[in-house]
Amino acid sequence: EAQVTQNPRYLITVTGKKLTVTCSQNMNHEYMSWYRQDPGLGLRQIYYSMNVEVTDKGDVPEGYKVSRKEKRNFPLILESPSPNQTSLYFCASSDGLQVETQYFGPGTRLLVL
Amino acid sequence: DAKTTQPPSMDCAEGRAANLPCNHSTISGNEYVYWYRQIHSQGPQYIIHGLKNNETNEMASLIITEDRKSSTLILPHATLRDTAVYYCIVRVSGGHNTDKLIFGTGTRLQVFP
Repeated sequence: EAQVTQNPRYLITVTGKKLTVTCSQNMNHEYMSWYRQDPGLGLRQIYYSMNVEVTDKGDVPEGYKVSRKEKRNFPLILESPSPNQTSLYFCASSDGLQVETQYFGPGTRLLVL
Repeated sequence: DAKTTQPPSMDCAEGRAANLPCNHSTISGNEYVYWYRQIHSQGPQYIIHGLKNNETNEMASLIITEDRKSSTLILPHATLRDTAVYYCIVRVSGGHNTDKLIFGTGTRLQVFP
């Protein structure tokens, strides 16, 4: 089954404790992206990647890092999480430049205390 | 960047057609209109997209006005499972020759029995 998976689905952590949210897709997609969703603000893009070793900032990249060492994986790294990064995070992938048909993961709900 | 305007909420009776409007008066000639939906904190799901002609697929129909300043997503026979937030999106150009989607706050469609 074609899908995007994220882990963990739920995470409670404390300020400053480094964490990684994994994202993996099994569709051999080139394009992958991370979004965060906050009430009243909709979905905002954090980072995206066109292909292996190619990443670029989205609209709200501050406080986040990403890497794309393999085509299927696109982890999101919070080196020093802060409470304002409490949010619902989605990973997405699409085939090449066909970003209109993005496949989204189930989401990761993060609470930073 | 082209922006979209949608009503914050709408109701629809089960079995009736749901018509969701979207204004995109600043859309450029080569920018597509996309529709996604998000069912209660799940990952957004692609529905349909179009440039200037009306489009139909197994999920919905998209009607774009001749001047392309607005469009309407039509769910011909709404069911309770169509209750979701619907996003009208105009693709904008990003870095590395990549287009990206900018999600607004969408229209919350409530289908009632």
